[in-house]
Amino acid sequence: QVQLQESGPGLVKPSETLSLSCTVSGGSISGYYWSWIRQPAGKGLEWIGRIHFSGYTIYNPSVEGRITVSLDTSTNQFSLKLTSMTAADTAIYYCARETNYDWDYWGQGTLVTVSS
Amino acid sequence: EIVLTQSPATLSLSPGESATLSCRASQSVTTELTWHQQKPGQAPRLLIHNASFRATGIPARFSASGSGTDFILTISRLEPEDFAVYYCQQRSKWPRTFGQGTKVEIK
Repeated sequence: QVQLQESGPGLVKPSETLSLSCTVSGGSISGYYWSWIRQPAGKGLEWIGRIHFSGYTIYNPSVEGRITVSLDTSTNQFSLKLTSMTAADTAIYYCARETNYDWDYWGQGTLVTVSS
Repeated sequence: EIVLTQSPATLSLSPGESATLSCRASQSVTTELTWHQQKPGQAPRLLIHNASFRATGIPARFSASGSGTDFILTISRLEPEDFAVYYCQQRSKWPRTFGQGTKVEIK
């Protein structure tokens, strides 16, 4: 059974950089697309970026210029970096696996709060 | 970007009743439309892909249809575990976008 687990700081100061990792277990990171999706408390979902195991990335224009998604096949992890964080970036951040049938496996999510 | 509008925002129903949820796209997404279910404190769960195909393990009481700009998710005979928020999402164009969700609550 594939499992995804996000890890990283729960609190980030304004203007600083968020770094999150997603560890994939029970399956290989190779052969799939991997996404980051976020959800402000009590609100809807926003897809922010995706990486293919080959390294190809695509980002949401809403965060383009601030976001980097990378991948490490040796550790079966992929990562998110989001710079210049503001209160508007406060959200639960999910990592998810994408197949031809869309996001079939999700992490449990990690709450990131931007506050000084 | 493609805007998805879901209606109603909230549906108040009793167990055993049927639910009909709507999702309308601001432009055609052909059948590149997905439905997700989200329960409080949990990650979303894939229900339906390609507009009408149930994901692995999804009960047959969930059905969906539509193409182009108008889509429907039907839940027949609501079970207690079906009370949740349902999101539609398009994968036709970048960026991928979600509707604002429909909450199916117990009446």
